[in-house]
Amino acid sequence: QVLLVQSGVEVKKPGASVKVSCKASGYTFTNYAIGWVRQAPGQGLEWMGWISTYTANTDYAQKFQGRVTMTADTSTTTAYMELRSLTSDDTAVYFCAREEKLGLVVFDYWGQGTLVTVSS
Amino acid sequence: DIQMTQSPSSLSASVGDRVTITCRASQNINSYLNWYQQKPGKAPKLLIYAASSLQSGVPSRFSGSGSGTDFTLTVSSLQPEDSATYFCQQTYSGLYTFGQGTKMEIK
Repeated sequence: QVLLVQSGVEVKKPGASVKVSCKASGYTFTNYAIGWVRQAPGQGLEWMGWISTYTANTDYAQKFQGRVTMTADTSTTTAYMELRSLTSDDTAVYFCAREEKLGLVVFDYWGQGTLVTVSS
Repeated sequence: DIQMTQSPSSLSASVGDRVTITCRASQNINSYLNWYQQKPGKAPKLLIYAASSLQSGVPSRFSGSGSGTDFTLTVSSLQPEDSATYFCQQTYSGLYTFGQGTKMEIK
């Protein structure tokens, strides 16, 4: 079965960086892009960007450009999201999701989420 | 950026009720609209894609409709397990924005 398993809880200080991993299994990794979505405490969902696991092309939400890097390692079927220059506003649960194309892009499988807390 | 606005932000209904949530896009998105259900502490789950197509395994009491700028998610007969927050999402433009969510509670 399709599984996306993310890395564990992170606690970071302001100004630091965090790198979240997303290990995929149960399907051909390079056939699907991986998207990243975050959710601040008690808030809604915010799309951050995506990476083509086949070409390594990326597209980032303008809000995160210059501060985020998404990568994918096809040898380990793992996607990564690195966010730099963290502030308290980056405290959130970060999700990876598989992007399926069903006539349009949908996020059909999700990781369990990784809580990132930014605090001094 | 395309803005997605859901209403209501929360609702409370009884088991067996018919419930409708609306989602409005700030510009025409054709049928590039998905609906997700999220329960506390869990990842979102895809319910409806392309405005009206039911994702495999999702109960048939869920349905979606609309195109252009106005969309609805309907639960025909509310069940206790439907207590959750529901989000719409547009994937028309490259920035896949979500609505702010509708929290559905069971009386």
